[in-house]
Amino acid sequence: DAGVIQSPRHEVTEMGQEVTLRCKPISGHDYLFWYRQTMMRGLELLIYFNNNVPIDDSGMPEDRFSAKMPNASFSTLKIQPSEPRDSAVYFCASKLTSGEQFFGPGTRLTVL
Amino acid sequence: AQSVTQLGSHVSVSEGALVLLRCNYSSSVPPYLFWYVQYPNQGLQLLLKYTSAATLVKGINGFEAEFKKSETSFHLTKPSAHMSDAAEYFCAVSAYNSGGYQKVTFGTGTKLQVIP
Repeated sequence: DAGVIQSPRHEVTEMGQEVTLRCKPISGHDYLFWYRQTMMRGLELLIYFNNNVPIDDSGMPEDRFSAKMPNASFSTLKIQPSEPRDSAVYFCASKLTSGEQFFGPGTRLTVL
Repeated sequence: AQSVTQLGSHVSVSEGALVLLRCNYSSSVPPYLFWYVQYPNQGLQLLLKYTSAATLVKGINGFEAEFKKSETSFHLTKPSAHMSDAAEYFCAVSAYNSGGYQKVTFGTGTKLQVIP
C-alpha cells in the first residue's frame, strides 16, 4: 500500500481564499483523522471519522473549517475564508480499529 | 475521559547516553499506548505500541517502553543515544469512549536533542 496520501504537499494562498486539502487513507482503514500542527499550539486533533461518519469535530476551530468524507477512500478539509492564523501543517491519519495511526506526509499551508 | 502527560518538552542527552522520555496517561478503560517519532518536516511514524500483550514493548531503532499499570506510565527508553535519534517524540493513548468509538489522545511532545 502507498500509505496515506495527502495533496497538495504545499499550498500558498492569500487571505480570504478558499483552501481545500485532500486525503486518501490506507485502503481498509475505518478511522480517519485530521490534525493541525503549529509551533505555538503543537499537534491538535481537528476532527475524526469512523466509517465515513464524523464522530467528533470539537477540535474544529470555527465555522470557517469543514471536513467531509464522501466515501471510504477520500476526505477533504476545507477552509473558507482562509486567514493568516490558519497557516500550519495539516496531517491526515488513518487506522484500523485497535490499531496504530498511519500519518500522511502533511500539507504545509501558508496564508498570506 | 483520557489524557496523556509528557514530562519535559525538551530533553538533551549526550551521544551514547541513556534516553528516557516520560509519559503518564489516564484512562477509565484499558488503553492502547503508542510512541510516535517525528523528524523535521515529516509526518509522525510509529516507534512502538502496547496492546495488552507483553508489558515490555520493543520498537524500532532500539527503543523500548514498559507499560506500568500501577504507575499509569509508559516511559520510552533507549540504552545509547545516537545523533540520528534527535527528533520530537509523542506519546498517545487510544481507548474506547462511551459511544463505542476509539478516541486517540496525543501528548504535547518531547523534543530530544543529542549532543555529540
